[in-house]
Amino acid sequence: GAVVSQHPSRVICKSGTSVKIECRSLDFQATTMFWYRQFPKKSLMLMATSNEGSKATYEQGVEKDKFLINHASLTLSTLTVTSAHPEDSSFYICSARDPGQGPEAFFGQGTRLTVV
Amino acid sequence: RKEVEQDPGPFNVPEGATVAFNCTYSNSASQSFFWYRQDCRKEPKLLMSVYSSGNEDGRFTAQLNRASQYISLLIRDSKLSDSATYLCVVNRATDSWGKLQFGAGTQVVVTP
Repeated sequence: GAVVSQHPSRVICKSGTSVKIECRSLDFQATTMFWYRQFPKKSLMLMATSNEGSKATYEQGVEKDKFLINHASLTLSTLTVTSAHPEDSSFYICSARDPGQGPEAFFGQGTRLTVV
Repeated sequence: RKEVEQDPGPFNVPEGATVAFNCTYSNSASQSFFWYRQDCRKEPKLLMSVYSSGNEDGRFTAQLNRASQYISLLIRDSKLSDSATYLCVVNRATDSWGKLQFGAGTQVVVTP
């Protein structure tokens, strides 16, 4: 199946700093990628849709200035958590669909962010 | 009301037994349905797509009931390695492919 790679898998940062998370499609081109976050024992919540070459589309309640998304190429989307606070600590996961493989989405390995 | 609802469990299942659980969805415009499996602190992985006529993949059987707006997953001859959280996932017809709505998951614990 399609491969989506996410980096880093784990990061600890201080309050007030910014953290960048990368999501790459390794063997296909993804014009659209999706960013989710998941709190313990909760469902994945869609944060935003990342569109190659244009602005991301954010879900209601997600601050676009807080969570900066850049989709500069067909294989890379980045999520930057700006001025991180402890409440931003969560599991962030990206996904993408390979148009040549049907409707299912493939996920990156996830990034566990801890803000101290 | 949540768009996708699941019984959180846990379902404690003896090894070799059968377990089944459902998921309901509220948006009748939903067009694609999936079961994903998520292990603790890992990313979700596709278990199987769910087709209108129902489908089977080895020990796993998925059913879709559009009239009642639910899908089900049945696991036969449970293995210890089946212990995981099973996520019900829906793609709405009004959304682009890949934009998914997740249930909170049903935890299954298979015991020796």
